[in-house]
Amino acid sequence: AQSVSQHNHHVILSEAASLELGCNYSYGGTVNLFWYVQYPGQHLQLLLKYFSGDPLVKGIKGFEAEFIKSKFSFNLRKPSVQWSDTAEYFCAVNSGNTPLVFGKGTRLSVIA
Amino acid sequence: KAGVTQTPRYLIKTRGQQVTLSCSPISGHRSVSWYQQTPGQGLQFLFEYFSETQRNKGNFPGRFSGRQFSNSRSEMNVSTLELGDSALYLCASSPFPGVGIDTQYFGPGTRLTVL
Repeated sequence: AQSVSQHNHHVILSEAASLELGCNYSYGGTVNLFWYVQYPGQHLQLLLKYFSGDPLVKGIKGFEAEFIKSKFSFNLRKPSVQWSDTAEYFCAVNSGNTPLVFGKGTRLSVIA
Repeated sequence: KAGVTQTPRYLIKTRGQQVTLSCSPISGHRSVSWYQQTPGQGLQFLFEYFSETQRNKGNFPGRFSGRQFSNSRSEMNVSTLELGDSALYLCASSPFPGVGIDTQYFGPGTRLTVL
């Protein structure tokens, strides 16, 4: 069965700091990878997704993620965070038409 | 285009009761999935429906059930509630089953508290 690990439970950064959130998955076949964000009091929404092609994926709000197949990783990055990036971030994986499997999430707090 | 709607938004029940949650997908979306979100476990998949048929089911006890109607609206039911069922229940819709090119859109969730 697929599983997703997000190693950072809570990350605290100052504004303008760079962000990298780790995500590792366990599945040897072809996967689709996602990062979702849940801002306080808001719906879960898609940040970016990887299906195939260029392993460096750019999403909304300046976020990007890199798929490294040999490391089973799909880390999320942003060069300079803002206070408005405070949210919970979820990595997810699926294969073909299987349901999404989510990581347990990483809470990001950005302080001024 | 209206998003995914879930009713009720908040619910308080006591142990042993049962509860029914409702989800209306985005117009034209025929696939509905349900997830349970808790602080300790994150988001866990409950089940997926398409054309009134359950396509996938997560690892939850039989107290959790669901159904989908011909208009694609879906309900989930939890019988004999336990304290551990307290969670945010999220519904997501997509045009077709699975999450490939057709990305799921999530609703705001129903916050269930079991006392």
